[in-house]
Amino acid sequence: TQLLEQSPQFLSIQEGENLTVYCNSSSVFSSLQWYRQEPGEGPVLLVTVVTGGEVKKLKRLTFQFGDARKDSSLHITAAQPGDTGLYLCAGENDYKLSFGAGTTVTVRA
Amino acid sequence: KAGVTQTPRYLIKTRGQQVTLSCSPISGHRSVSWYQQTPGQGLQFLFEYFSETQRNKGNFPGRFSGRQFSNSRSEMNVSTLELGDSALYLCASRSGGRIAEAFFGQGTRLTVV
Repeated sequence: TQLLEQSPQFLSIQEGENLTVYCNSSSVFSSLQWYRQEPGEGPVLLVTVVTGGEVKKLKRLTFQFGDARKDSSLHITAAQPGDTGLYLCAGENDYKLSFGAGTTVTVRA
Repeated sequence: KAGVTQTPRYLIKTRGQQVTLSCSPISGHRSVSWYQQTPGQGLQFLFEYFSETQRNKGNFPGRFSGRQFSNSRSEMNVSTLELGDSALYLCASRSGGRIAEAFFGQGTRLTVV
């Protein structure tokens, strides 16, 4: 059983469309991190959010941490084929990251 | 600045054998964590080391063990390999603070036959 629930599991969209990935948990985390992973490679860190209610923007990506520090969302504006990959959220407590199952995003040209 | 280095990249072992995987963290990072990634279970935490001490451990059998050296390099060992141990084993490097960003290596793909 995953401590963090990600939705949707799969997402296929056309280039230029927007998408949102959700990450929910019943546990409170000291921080939440988002990663993107390519096949056969390790996850690459996108962002770390720490404060409840925090919103971070990185170019076309917007990350939000829930007020209660239990949930988060990742929003991509005007998706590009280069955004294709497995998106993982991970909550941290006691030096341990608990990962969601991931959302596979495919952006079609 | 060099990234996280894991060796070997690929490994094929027979059931019952043991295996040792290596991880060299980013220079200056003192925390190393290990994760197992499988299609069915996703990424699962194995253990975390900081300054040669294990600070946290996941729910894996005792066949899985690790250690960290004074130069922060870490090894994990799996004894009496089972088919279900086939996975991508990932190492994460962190500076060591309670809220510190984790940087992953490319992983070691272990196949048990």
